[in-house]
Amino acid sequence: EVQLVESGGGLVQPGGSLRLSCAASGFTVSSNYMTWVRQAPGKGLEWVSVIYSGGSTYYADSVKGRFTVSRDNSKNTLYLQMSSLRVEDTAVYYCATAPGWSLFDYWGQGTLVTVSS
Amino acid sequence: DIVMTQTPLSSPVTLGQPASISCRSSQSLVHSDGNTYLSWLQQRPGQPPRLLIYKISKRFSGVPDRFSGSGAGTDFTLKISRVEAEDVGVYYCTQVTQFPITFGQGTRLEIK
Repeated sequence: EVQLVESGGGLVQPGGSLRLSCAASGFTVSSNYMTWVRQAPGKGLEWVSVIYSGGSTYYADSVKGRFTVSRDNSKNTLYLQMSSLRVEDTAVYYCATAPGWSLFDYWGQGTLVTVSS
Repeated sequence: DIVMTQTPLSSPVTLGQPASISCRSSQSLVHSDGNTYLSWLQQRPGQPPRLLIYKISKRFSGVPDRFSGSGAGTDFTLKISRVEAEDVGVYYCTQVTQFPITFGQGTRLEIK
């Protein structure tokens, strides 16, 4: 059974950094497309980043240069390193995965990031 | 960026009746590989999103057959043949044909 468990969210001041984790089971992160999507409180969905099985990475313009997606194959875990955080980065961050380019077959429960002074 | 526009934004429906949500993209979603990467997601209250439909009309594993998708090019539709209480939530269309990946604003399905 595919499972994704996000962690690492919390309260951080503007300009700070945070690293989110997405622990996977039931499949291999290096074999799938792994995506981060966020949802600001009461708002819709916003794509953040994707990492291909081959290692290529892509980002939304709103986070490019500030966020970095990576994975640790030995831990079967996806990461999102977030720096220079802004108030508008406040959101629940979800990881999602798929073996194919549907991207969103399976989702984690999300982790809340709050950027506030 | 491809803009995804959903209508209606809110849909009150009677249990057992059909429901339909439209999604229009600002440009064609046909990929150079010939596929159209248009998906529909359901987000129940307090839950993460869940994939219902991908590539316009393919139902994901475990999705009831009362959900169906159709369309082509820039116009797409999600239909629920007979709404059940568990269908309450927000529905999003999304395109993964071109970066950046974009979502519609969401359509809130509620029971009358």
